[in-house]
Amino acid sequence: KAGVTQTPRYLIKTRGQQVTLSCSPISGHRSVSWYQQTPGQGLQFLFEYFSETQRNKGNFPGRFSGRQFSNSRSEMNVSTLELGDSALYLCASSLDAGGTDTQYFGPGTRLTVL
Amino acid sequence: QQQVKQSPQSLIVQKGGISIINCAYENTAFDYFPWYQQFPGKGPALLIAIRPDVSEKKEGRFTISFNKSAKQFSLHIMDSQPGDSATYFCAAGYSTLTFGKGTMLLVSP
Repeated sequence: KAGVTQTPRYLIKTRGQQVTLSCSPISGHRSVSWYQQTPGQGLQFLFEYFSETQRNKGNFPGRFSGRQFSNSRSEMNVSTLELGDSALYLCASSLDAGGTDTQYFGPGTRLTVL
Repeated sequence: QQQVKQSPQSLIVQKGGISIINCAYENTAFDYFPWYQQFPGKGPALLIAIRPDVSEKKEGRFTISFNKSAKQFSLHIMDSQPGDSATYFCAAGYSTLTFGKGTMLLVSP
């Protein structure tokens, strides 16, 4: 089975721009979670989507949003980029929703904001 | 606020030694405790996980010890190898998965 894929792998943007990241989960997985990883804060939960519905949301501003499509692929969008948004954005898929099912991570998208 | 505290931040172990990483949690609603291993440039990969109905789980050289009353759990890596050099994250799950801040392990040859 193919693993979780994320595109693009690297992005460079400037402050004020917006960005869209994509995640394709493992076939058959219906839940996709997004995390922001930075050296200082570690992995922080952004949001989870299950069957096209947002189930949980972390403590991030409204500039961070996401969606999930009927084929379980997910996108996250960050508007009005700030320097502090530079991070590795990881998505993880699992069969079921919630934090008690095994989550499989993709390689991440490295976002640099200049 | 849900929190998972992980220690140490970094660890250097000689080849063949035992690496021990500890985590503590606060929310008694957590009922799933995985450990992830991450190499540079890669996403985290599940190493081993435990549920609170058992006190220990072993898979090869990796063992999780779980103390429900103390709200602590730890990862033991026996016979540590240079290839184990990576960052390790503990996590605790309930409605979402909450991660510790990670431990950078270096196994010296």
